[in-house]
Order: sequence, then structure tokens, then C-alpha cells
Amino acid sequence: GENVEQHPSTLSVQEGDSAVIKCTYSDSASNYFPWYKQELGKRPQLIIDIRSNVGEKKDQRIAVTLNKTAKHFSLHITETQPEDSAVYFCAASIMNGTYKYIFGTGTRLKVLA
Amino acid sequence: GAVVSQHPSRVICKSGTSVKIECRSLDFQATTMFWYRQFPKQSLMLMATSNEGSKATYEQGVEKDKFLINHASLTLSTLTVTSAHPEDSSFYICSARVTGTDTQYFGPGTRLTVL
Repeated sequence: GENVEQHPSTLSVQEGDSAVIKCTYSDSASNYFPWYKQELGKRPQLIIDIRSNVGEKKDQRIAVTLNKTAKHFSLHITETQPEDSAVYFCAASIMNGTYKYIFGTGTRLKVLA
Repeated sequence: GAVVSQHPSRVICKSGTSVKIECRSLDFQATTMFWYRQFPKQSLMLMATSNEGSKATYEQGVEKDKFLINHASLTLSTLTVTSAHPEDSSFYICSARVTGTDTQYFGPGTRLTVL
């Protein structure tokens, strides 16, 4: 069935360093890949997204890259700050009768001051 | 823009009772809304897709008679947990898809505790 793998499950970085989170999806028809940030007890917030016709997208300190051939996409956060500490989820859209997302398992990022 | 509200934020109920959770898109119309369940330190698990004016589509393993979904308007979907049991305790989150786009915006979630 459809699946999205996400690594690592936890990640600790020093403030100012970069963080990279990787996801792999299984459905070659997936064409939209959003990333969400979720703080404890709160709603997931969309931070960046990418479509399958684009290889890279950047928004200030956050960037996402997509390799359609390998079915990989990654989130890059540069110059990390303590407020970046949260759980990050990747997702891939699928169309299997209905349109929906399949979420990755999440990465708990901790930025150490 | 693209704000989704959810009510209530927290609910505690006795085993055997029913609980209704509302999800509203405040500043846009959403022909499709989604209901997720999230256990502590876990990912979001899609329960069902709610389409305005039609029956919801449930994911495999989700009992449609236990989790009743109604999407009566372009801005409101409701999830009713019927005959709740302690194992139904969880964080329930809805999302709404902006019509014509791929993007889903999430509500703040409802923490359900069944005693």
C-alpha cells in the first residue's frame, strides 16, 4: 500500500547549525509534498510545500528538495534557532479513489542553545 | 487566511456516551475536510475524508457506525464518536482542503478523554 518513510525520528542540532530531514514515498503518482511543523499539543502548521514539477523550493531559512526518480524529498533548515524545536511531518498526496495525504512518522527536532 | 477552527478543544466524557466535534473553515469554502487521529508521539492517522453533500469515505479499519461524519455545508464538518470507550481517548484533528488546491489547513485539535 501507499507509504511514506521519514528519517531520522529524532534530531538534535546546535543552534546555528543546519538540520536535514528526509522522506521517501512509494506512490509514483504523488505530485504534491507538504511539510508541517507541530508544536506540542498544537495543530500542524504548513511551513513549505513542493510540487512534482519542481526540484527545489526555498523560503528564507527553509528549503525543500525533490528527487522524483528516487521518490525522495528532503527538508533543509539552515541557521537553526531554539524556536525551530518541534515535530516535523512530511506528507505525500495520493489519489486513490479520493484525494488524501499520507504522512511520514515525524521527526522530533531539538535545537540546543 | 485559510483558518480552520475546531470545537471543543477538550472534552471529558463517560464511557458509553457520544461526543460531537465540529470543524469549521472560517474564511474559505472547503468541499473536502479530513478527520485525523493522533496518539501521543505518533503521526497523524487519517480516519475519513468528508465531502460536502455526500457520504464520507472511511479508511480501512475505521468503523463508520462508530465515527459518524456529517459535512452539511461548505464550511462545516462534524465528527460524532458514538458510545465512546476509554480506547477512543485521543487527539482528534480536522483539516480542510482549499477548493481547487492541494493544500490542507489544520484545526487546533480536540483532546478527547473517555473515563
